[in-house]
Amino acid sequence: DAKTTQPPSMDCAEGRAANLPCNHSTISGNEYVYWYRQIHSQGPQYIIHGLKNNETNEMASLIITEDRKSSTLILPHATLRDTAVYYCIVGPFGNEKLTFGTGTRLTIIP
Amino acid sequence: DADVTQTPRNRITKTGKRIMLECSQTKGHDRMYWYRQDPGLGLQLIYYSFDVKDINKGEISDGYSVSRQAQAKFSLSLESAIPNQTALYFCATSGAGAAGANVLTFGAGSRLTVL
Repeated sequence: DAKTTQPPSMDCAEGRAANLPCNHSTISGNEYVYWYRQIHSQGPQYIIHGLKNNETNEMASLIITEDRKSSTLILPHATLRDTAVYYCIVGPFGNEKLTFGTGTRLTIIP
Repeated sequence: DADVTQTPRNRITKTGKRIMLECSQTKGHDRMYWYRQDPGLGLQLIYYSFDVKDINKGEISDGYSVSRQAQAKFSLSLESAIPNQTALYFCATSGAGAAGANVLTFGAGSRLTVL
């Protein structure tokens, strides 16, 4: 699996958009970008995934650069409940040996 | 009821004891996993299973064993627990096929303390 690099921590004001970057410069052509989050010590929760097109669902948007070497997860209107560790992971579709790094600890400030 | 249920949620045991953590799922998924998380760190894959007759080692399988008793059940055993196995353990499932692959559903976790 390709390696990802994320900032260890970020703050965001409540109600603002939270933009979480991820660098995956060695991503292969068949590898997807996945985002999960872990609230406190709960089990990680799937957020979104994409290959090369931007994706949006009810939780977030995923913006992948044209060269696919980086991506940004966007939480459009952050709430206090979005405070969590966010993991960016890359891996081939169908290969479940996903590697969870240390992620970005996002703190939403009231 | 949760899609992925882990028992026990908390367990304190002594060095040398045998411990079993159990996981059951109602998602109907073929694929199940056990992960370990140490404080402040990411998740490490211990074992995974793609169907009832399939068992695969992950990154850190030493000191652990698993049993896939049925499609819905996947248990993790520590044959002789040691203090550095103190951690938070997560079970997860995923569906086979393009629509579900790599989308993991996690249980709530089992916190194990080995004294």
